[in-house]
Amino acid sequence: GEDVEQSLFLSVREGDSSVINCTYTDSSSTYLYWYKQEPGAGLQLLTYIFSNMDMKQDQRLTVLLNKKDKHLSLRIADTQTGDSAIYFCAETPGTGTASKLTFGTGTRLQVTL
Amino acid sequence: DAGVIQSPRHEVTEMGQEVTLRCKPISGHNSLFWYRQTMMRGLELLIYFNNNVPIDDSGMPEDRFSAKMPNASFSTLKIQPSEPRDSAVYFCASKIGQGSGYTFGSGTRLTVV
Repeated sequence: GEDVEQSLFLSVREGDSSVINCTYTDSSSTYLYWYKQEPGAGLQLLTYIFSNMDMKQDQRLTVLLNKKDKHLSLRIADTQTGDSAIYFCAETPGTGTASKLTFGTGTRLQVTL
Repeated sequence: DAGVIQSPRHEVTEMGQEVTLRCKPISGHNSLFWYRQTMMRGLELLIYFNNNVPIDDSGMPEDRFSAKMPNASFSTLKIQPSEPRDSAVYFCASKIGQGSGYTFGSGTRLTVV
């Protein structure tokens, strides 16, 4: 079945860039997503990328996709304390009109002063 | 739009009691998903519906769990009888078609004592 892996923890200084990595196994993955979850809150969609794209940029966020290596990354520029949260990578195979979303384990980002 | 609305936000119940979680998807979204989040197992898909029809319920843990979607604007997840190991945060999400993001509700934190 599908498997999505992430490192559990990342610590960065405020103002630095954060890079959160994700690997997935499903070669038929069509859409890949990044979600943010703050303590006690739901999941907030940050951005997503279609599998025929290599990169997508949205303000401070840059998503890079290496489809050959099945590797996805999220770069947060100028990381702020408000970026402290758990970040989930997720993928869908894209088959059918309601494909299920498979999540990674989540990466806890800690931003220090 | 008010987003995906879940109720209640918190539920504490005694073992053996019936629990009903409710979800109102975003108007116009035709797919609805129920997820469960625990520390041990992360985010697990329980069941999803497309156009009110259950498509995949393979994630439903046991016969104690059941889900319905009587119309496009309402879904329930029922646990009967509840057990302490059902304690988790239950999320509902909805989406429209392919190529769109999944919007999550704020979740219901269920505690079974």
